[in-house]
This record gives sequence, structure tokens and C-alpha cells, in this order.
Amino acid sequence: GIQVEQSPPDLILQEGANSTLRCNFSDSVNNLQWFHQNPWGQLINLFYIPSGTKQNGRLSATTVATERYSLLYISSSQTTDSGVYFCAVVVGGAGSYQLTFGKGTKLSVIP
Amino acid sequence: EAQVTQNPRYLITVTGKKLTVTCSQNMNHEYMSWYRQDPGLGLRQIYYSMNVEVTDKGDVPEGYKVSRKEKRNFPLILESPSPNQTSLYFCASSLSGVSWNEQFFGPGTRLTVL
Repeated sequence: GIQVEQSPPDLILQEGANSTLRCNFSDSVNNLQWFHQNPWGQLINLFYIPSGTKQNGRLSATTVATERYSLLYISSSQTTDSGVYFCAVVVGGAGSYQLTFGKGTKLSVIP
Repeated sequence: EAQVTQNPRYLITVTGKKLTVTCSQNMNHEYMSWYRQDPGLGLRQIYYSMNVEVTDKGDVPEGYKVSRKEKRNFPLILESPSPNQTSLYFCASSLSGVSWNEQFFGPGTRLTVL
């Protein structure tokens, strides 16, 4: 099956710093999503981004499907950004789709 | 409010005692799925359903059953739970089973099997 690799696995930031999280995938995908899992375990949609660039406040994401990677940018980080960031890719077709997750990047933002 | 709900949120049970975790969505979504999350392994798909009465195995279906008799509900059944099924479980839904759409997750169910 498809392999999804995220880097770095762990990241510690001082509040206010910027960061870039990377997601590489081993095969063509139909789609890609970024999620944030907060310290309480809740999974929150960040971006639904099969290609191109999207921005939402301090967060933005870019997917280059032809080169099989996606990047998540966090600017001016805040302690509430702490948690685990997952990318998940969609593989399938002809009416059958599966979502495969990377193992995540654990982000800790310290005051 | 559009949402995916799961019940129970927390469950401690014993080996072999059948249990059901319910999942319901109020968005008229066609696609629903179940995942389990384990330390070091990330989230893995257990089963998914493209629509009513249409279900298929994900990556880790062993030991689980599902059914999709109504569009809004997608229960996960553990006929004979074992300790290796101790995990955090998530239900999710998305609009269409034909073309991929953004997926929305429930709050999670933390299951402990003793």
C-alpha cells in the first residue's frame, strides 16, 4: 500500500517562531488532508488540499501532487498550536476510497 | 450543529464481552469509516462504508464487524474483544462515496479491554 512519511517526528518551538511540517507520499493520491489532534485527542480539520496552496490565518498548506509531497506552515506559533499534526492521503477510484495517515509530527510550543 | 457523535466516549470491559460503539452523523453523508489510533502506529482504517448496505474492509479489520442499515449510523461491533483491541477509536464521515470529499471526525472512544 501507499506509504506516508511525515517529518520531523517531533518539534519544539518557542512561542512566536515559525515552522514547516512535511508530508511525503509514495504514490499518486486522489486527495490530501491535514489534521491537528489537540492534547485532548480531538481531530480537527485544517486543510483539504489535493493540490495548490491554501491559507487559513497563521496556517497555510501547499501540496505538489506531481512531486508527492505537502507542506504545512505555521507562523507566529502559539501554545494552543501544540499537539500532533497528521497528513492523510486518499487513494482509490471507481467509487472506493481509503484514507491512509502518516504517523504525525508532535509539536510542542513553549512560552 | 453538523457533527459526528460517538458513544460511549470511554469504555472499560473484559475479554470476550461483546460490545458496540455507536457512530452517528447528521450531515446526510454517504461515506463513513472507523479508525483506531495506537501509539507509534498512528491512525489506521478498520472498515468503511460507501453508502447504505455497502461496507468494505480497511487496513485492520480483524476482530471487528460493522453494519450500515441507515445512512446516519455506522456502529462498530466487537464480538469478542481482546486486550490488543485496547485503543482510541474514531468514526468519520464525508459527503460522497463516489468522489472524495473532506472527512469529519467524531470525538473518539477510548476503549480498554482487560
